[in-house]
Amino acid sequence: DGGITQSPKYLFRKEGQNVTLSCEQNLNHDAMYWYRQDPGQGLRLIYYSQIVNDFQKGDIAEGYSVSREKKESFPLTVTSAQKNPTAFYLCASSPRDRAYRYTFGSGTRLTVV
Amino acid sequence: AQSVTQPDIHITVSEGASLELRCNYSYGATPYLFWYVQSPGQGLQLLLKYFSGDTLVQGIKGFEAEFKRSQSSFNLRKPSVHWSDAAEYFCAVDGAQKLVFGQGTRLTINP
Repeated sequence: DGGITQSPKYLFRKEGQNVTLSCEQNLNHDAMYWYRQDPGQGLRLIYYSQIVNDFQKGDIAEGYSVSREKKESFPLTVTSAQKNPTAFYLCASSPRDRAYRYTFGSGTRLTVV
Repeated sequence: AQSVTQPDIHITVSEGASLELRCNYSYGATPYLFWYVQSPGQGLQLLLKYFSGDTLVQGIKGFEAEFKRSQSSFNLRKPSVHWSDAAEYFCAVDGAQKLVFGQGTRLTINP
């Protein structure tokens, strides 16, 4: 079955270390997205990509970086510059220009200690 | 810019009671609107969506929502809630290539 996989489900890192969250999809979707979720703040867009080798900043891109070298993969790196990285991170994908057909991953909870 | 507001952060209802979750949006054109549900530690599941046409849309799990352009609202309703409806609910608008989400409403069900 097609789907979108985020790994790992739980991730712990020491403060000051970079960490990369994985997101892989086999839905043949062109577009992929990263959201951050904090209690009471909903989902805020970090980065999105409509096509391979191209991506755009979302509302809260500072302290994060992404790459889109393959259609299936959109990894997110949380850098040491992100001041408050502990959060729940959700990845999603959709056909290009069809945001109404989002498919979500099950998320990665990152805890920085 | 597009935005979505969910005025209620937390709502508690009794099992069997009716439910209405509020959502207001800001969007220049005719919006595509969505309601999602999230169980703890999980991704989001689509409950229903509005594109055009009939302003009352039916979704899964017995939910419905009504689009009111004059009030810029898209409220979610259910006639009788079940304990399994306890979750977080998100309203979203299609903001040109990406979804813009509200803050979410956490629903607690009293037995």
